[in-house]
Amino acid sequence: SQQGEEDPQALSIQEGENATMNCSYKTSINNLQWYRQNSGRGLVHLILIRSNEREKHSGRLRVTLDTSKKSSSLLITASRAADTASYFCATDFTGGGNKLTFGTGTQLKVEL
Amino acid sequence: GAVVSQHPSWVICKSGTSVKIECRSLDFQATTMFWYRQFPKQSLMLMATSNEGSKATYEQGVEKDKFLINHASLTLSTLTVTSAHPEDSSFYICSGEIWDGQETQYFGPGTRLLVL
Repeated sequence: SQQGEEDPQALSIQEGENATMNCSYKTSINNLQWYRQNSGRGLVHLILIRSNEREKHSGRLRVTLDTSKKSSSLLITASRAADTASYFCATDFTGGGNKLTFGTGTQLKVEL
Repeated sequence: GAVVSQHPSWVICKSGTSVKIECRSLDFQATTMFWYRQFPKQSLMLMATSNEGSKATYEQGVEKDKFLINHASLTLSTLTVTSAHPEDSSFYICSGEIWDGQETQYFGPGTRLLVL
């Protein structure tokens, strides 16, 4: 299976703290994307990082990519209660025809 | 922009019946749409790639005769779960692909199917 692994599976933090989620994958990729999913809802695209990029920022989000280790991390700074959701990484793997393979997900809970 | 809708948002049906789920790109044309299935507290698993005007490409282990996909126009793809059984109960999500500087998938809100 191409599916990636994410850790931790669940993360609970206080509002204002930073949240870090990690994603590992198995094959070479064109890009890696992060999505957020609120309970029982669709996915919201957060950020895309290409295989030749090492770091990318978008607002309170910071994504890193280490292709030598086949891993990525998503950092959410100054978290808010509204950030409570599941976060998935998804890889567009080389030769996959733009198909996305999703990781196992991290459930983030931000408490007031 | 890049909004995808799904209908219905939830459906309950009896075992043995067929259920059709629609996926529409509202403000863009999607040559390619994808169908995913998500079981509770699990990740999304790609079921098939739907290409406008041609047959869908199914992932390994997905029965094409059970999950019928039709992509009749650039804004509409349908997934029909035929002879549904309780094990087909799941959250079905579609996405439409668009080029906005890169190939990006925009996801619909999902359809929750419960087969009794």
